[in-house]
Amino acid sequence: DAGVIQSPRHEVTEMGQEVTLRCKPISGHNSLFWYRQTMMRGLELLIYFNNNVPIDDSGMPEDRFSAKMPNASFSTLKIQPSEPRDSAVYFCASSSREISTDTQYFGPGTRLTVL
Amino acid sequence: AQTVTQSQPEMSVQEAETVTLSCTYDTSENNYYLFWYKQPPSRQMILVIRQEAYKQQNATENRFSVNFQKAAKSFSLKISDSQLGDTAMYFCAFSIQGAQKLVFGQGTRLTINP
Repeated sequence: DAGVIQSPRHEVTEMGQEVTLRCKPISGHNSLFWYRQTMMRGLELLIYFNNNVPIDDSGMPEDRFSAKMPNASFSTLKIQPSEPRDSAVYFCASSSREISTDTQYFGPGTRLTVL
Repeated sequence: AQTVTQSQPEMSVQEAETVTLSCTYDTSENNYYLFWYKQPPSRQMILVIRQEAYKQQNATENRFSVNFQKAAKSFSLKISDSQLGDTAMYFCAFSIQGAQKLVFGQGTRLTINP
């Protein structure tokens, strides 16, 4: 089985540009999570979805960040406009209470650099 | 609020040795899960082992085992016969059963030397 798929793996952009990160969860998983990892703050949960519905977005840093999950096999995290402090590795993870008892499986991450 | 503490920022051992990574957590909940994730230089987050709080038996996965002390709120990871490929950051994580949100520790950077 394919694991969690994220694209792009690397993104370099200039301040003020829009950035869209994409995630395909493991087939059959009904929960999806977006994390951000930085040296200063470690791993932070940004938002998570159950059955395509956003459940908790309290970790989203500000209105420049938005996330959507239009269907069970696709989610996006958008930053508009991007700022240098958004530079980080962004992970997507998925889980299923029925299949994996809430164990989260992570994608390879997207390394974002905002110049 | 739940917190996870890893008190060892860095550790280094020789290949084939046994190493133990420490993790403590704080919660008032009774039903929860504990995890160890490995992050090698490739930065992929890889699940190493998980433990359900209601199980008294310590989880094992090949060379990896845990020492789960519920009363002490301690969850250490033991790596036996360490290999060069075990070199990575190791994160301890916690989630309340049903709540889904993972809380991570700060990580321990483990280096296995040849």
